[in-house]
Amino acid sequence: RKEVEQDPGPFNVPEGATVAFNCTYSNSASQSFFWYRQDCRKEPKLLMSVYSSGNEDGRFTAQLNRASQYISLLIRDSKLSDSATYLCGSGGATNKLIFGTGTLLAVQP
Amino acid sequence: DAGITQSPRHKVTETGTPVTLRCHQTENHRYMYWYRQDPGHGLRLIHYSYGVKDTDKGEVSDGYSVSRSKTEDFLLTLESATSSQTSVYFCAISERGVRDTQYFGPGTRLTVL
Repeated sequence: RKEVEQDPGPFNVPEGATVAFNCTYSNSASQSFFWYRQDCRKEPKLLMSVYSSGNEDGRFTAQLNRASQYISLLIRDSKLSDSATYLCGSGGATNKLIFGTGTLLAVQP
Repeated sequence: DAGITQSPRHKVTETGTPVTLRCHQTENHRYMYWYRQDPGHGLRLIHYSYGVKDTDKGEVSDGYSVSRSKTEDFLLTLESATSSQTSVYFCAISERGVRDTQYFGPGTRLTVL
């Protein structure tokens, strides 16, 4: 079983829709969590850090559920420009950040 | 954008040849990482460094070695390239390790024939 797992998608949604991704992690010692966005043939860029209390940045909301060991990303009012691959990352007691394989989002006009 | 460059950006080489990829940062961050990204596998950590001359293995370190002789440079070497090492290689930096944002370089696309 992979340490961090994501549904690869693709998630095809119309503009304006709300879409949610989950990411499960198996290492209960994980202490830090992130969502990255990666455009085609580009490097990943940080979208959000995920805090225990959850956090929101405009149309994006990230949540952490330690009991069930998953993090989530909610995107409201999807834009065409949100089309990308979304990677979750989980860091534990070591200095290693483990990434999921990514979820592909395609927002349709 | 964080000051990270990778060189070369593209490389085609033949099986059995040595290859060195360079990551250079201008941020003076302590931690540096090498990842490879392949379809279906996502980003996988090869090696990382937590200081000058301090390195450790990641999850896919076989066939790779690294060196960090100064803060700003982190080199990844494929001693004898194989076709299975055809991939996109990303370097990343962070100030405080996994508790901190990792900033990625633009990537190196390596093809081993």
